[in-house]
Amino acid sequence: QVQLVQSGAAVKKPGSSVKVSCKASGGTFSSSSISWVRQAPGQGLEWMGGIIPIFGTTDYAQKFQGRVTITTDESTSTAYMELRSLRSEDTAIYYCAGEKASGASHVWGQGTTVTVSS
Amino acid sequence: DIQMTQSPSSLSASVGDRVTITCRASQSISNYLNWYQQKPGKAPNLLIYAASSLQGGVPSRFIASGSGTDFTLTISSLQPEDFATYYCQQSYTTPRTFGQGTKVEIK
Repeated sequence: QVQLVQSGAAVKKPGSSVKVSCKASGGTFSSSSISWVRQAPGQGLEWMGGIIPIFGTTDYAQKFQGRVTITTDESTSTAYMELRSLRSEDTAIYYCAGEKASGASHVWGQGTTVTVSS
Repeated sequence: DIQMTQSPSSLSASVGDRVTITCRASQSISNYLNWYQQKPGKAPNLLIYAASSLQGGVPSRFIASGSGTDFTLTISSLQPEDFATYYCQQSYTTPRTFGQGTKVEIK
């Protein structure tokens, strides 16, 4: 089964950007789409957006429109999520997840902790 | 956006208990409802998709049902490894939205 392996933790200054990677290990992207979900400390799950790798089409939550970009590199089976203009409220664990055709996220990355602090 | 409301927010139960969590959508989502289990420090794990289909490898004590706006997840006999937080999620449309979570604790 394909696993999703994410890049390591990052500490960023307010106003800067972060780019998190998500590589399919043991195969290629076999999911219909890839979503990015974040979880602030002690909080619930928040969907940020997603991409359909074979088409490159993206869809973002309105909350993040203009601040987030999700891309894929099919040659390396890697998805990326870039979040710009970081603020302290963006401190969270960021997960990538592969979706089934029904939209259920059946495979998850291990999560990447992003800390935004001056 | 479709709002997902779970209840209860938390519950205490004993090993062997039957536990039920409910999830309500703010509009009809047909059967595009998924359930996840999350343990501390871990990524969520898909338990149920399409309202009632058991994901591969998930024990049969997890039973789910519902359609439209009202859904339930039942753990028929709570096991020690089931103490975790459970989330419902609608995948009827984007943005995907999650319930606020139900924390199942040991009584």
